[in-house]
Amino acid sequence: SQTIHQWPATLVQPVGSPLSLECTVEGTSNPNLYWYRQAAGRGLQLLFYSVGIGQISSEVPQNLSASRPQDRQFILSSKKLLLSDSGFYLCAWSVAASRGIGNSPLHFGNGTRLTVT
Amino acid sequence: RKEVEQDPGPFNVPEGATVAFNCTYSNSASQSFFWYRQDCRKEPKLLMSVYSSGNEDGRFTAQLNRASQYISLLIRDSKLSDSATYLCVVSLGKAAGNKLTFGGGTRVLVKP
Repeated sequence: SQTIHQWPATLVQPVGSPLSLECTVEGTSNPNLYWYRQAAGRGLQLLFYSVGIGQISSEVPQNLSASRPQDRQFILSSKKLLLSDSGFYLCAWSVAASRGIGNSPLHFGNGTRLTVT
Repeated sequence: RKEVEQDPGPFNVPEGATVAFNCTYSNSASQSFFWYRQDCRKEPKLLMSVYSSGNEDGRFTAQLNRASQYISLLIRDSKLSDSATYLCVVSLGKAAGNKLTFGGGTRVLVKP
């Protein structure tokens, strides 16, 4: 069965510090990978998605970046955090659309609760 | 207009009652539809997909109305454990990389 791991679960970082959140998926190959953010009391905002190694699509211009160095690894980074970066960050995967399955749902990791102070 | 809109609620529901709520979407090319459930401070979890003909999973019934561009979720015989935020999710399909757009969620509170 497929599993998704995301860490850390919680993180408190000062403004201006760097960020690295990691997500790995097991039990599937060539998944679509996603990073979402949910601010307190708000809906989920898609930040990045990837359909393959090295392929990153950015949805919202900001000081965050994403990388996919391996097929089942997705990393969210920032060089300098802002207060507005606080939120609940969720990694997710879905079956690759290139397989002809364009209707597969997302499966989320447990999330990282980031507080920028 | 937002791509996916939901009544934020809360819907206060007596235990054992039926509750239903809708979600509207703006893009007529939308192809896939899902309902997710999110408990407080947890990740969203897939509740059910929504099929064109409507579908049922136990006490939960989902329906799609393409003409009016909305989907609905009905919960029968509500349990206390049904208290959660229900997220409507819409996909534009393979052409858009299976990118899913989330609604803001509808909060449901089931009370004894």
